[in-house]
Amino acid sequence: DTGVSQDPRHKITKRGQNVTFRCDPISEHNRLYWYRQTLGQGPEFLTYFQNEAQLEKSRLLSDRFSAERPKGSFSTLEIQRTEQGDSAMYLCASSPLRYGQGSYNEQFFGPGTRLTVL
Amino acid sequence: DAKTTQPPSMDCAEGRAANLPCNHSTISGNEYVYWYRQIHSQGPQYIIHGLKNNETNEMASLIITEDRKSSTLILPHATLRDTAVYYCIADYGQNFVFGPGTRLSVLP
Repeated sequence: DTGVSQDPRHKITKRGQNVTFRCDPISEHNRLYWYRQTLGQGPEFLTYFQNEAQLEKSRLLSDRFSAERPKGSFSTLEIQRTEQGDSAMYLCASSPLRYGQGSYNEQFFGPGTRLTVL
Repeated sequence: DAKTTQPPSMDCAEGRAANLPCNHSTISGNEYVYWYRQIHSQGPQYIIHGLKNNETNEMASLIITEDRKSSTLILPHATLRDTAVYYCIADYGQNFVFGPGTRLSVLP
């Protein structure tokens, strides 16, 4: 399978615990994005990387959240001291970011990690 | 806030064409229009994108008006498996801003 993969697919944790999610992008894609999606809403941007550099972070990404992409390959998203409000689907996407007339940027999404904080 | 507006829901009879509209009146010249869909509990699936010209692929057709202020996604022969939330996004190479999308129900 050459698509974006995410692990785990489901995570149940107790409030106050730390959790870490992993995303493996499509090989050769230099951009990697994290989004969060709550029930009934569209995905909301959290952060993105171009290669190993984290270029943008949303204000949704509080200081309890940290993301890394060592060596520009897979990425991890860690949430410290989880809160019930962190319960959501966490989506990862990757993109080759091709420049042409304008920058087209089709993003390919993984299946997501569903987090439930009790 | 999303730069696009879409109707919250639409119905379509199985086997008929589904035409999903999207308004993007403030789109800038270098922004592409992307369409994605999301079936319950799955990640969004890329459908198609375009800049100025109409586009067609194996999944759908994208019709963009000449002034680029609106577009229509066409699923030529809708099936029950096309029931999903469809998102229209205007973007120039940054992070996507998703609106609530259109919930398409394909009815037997």
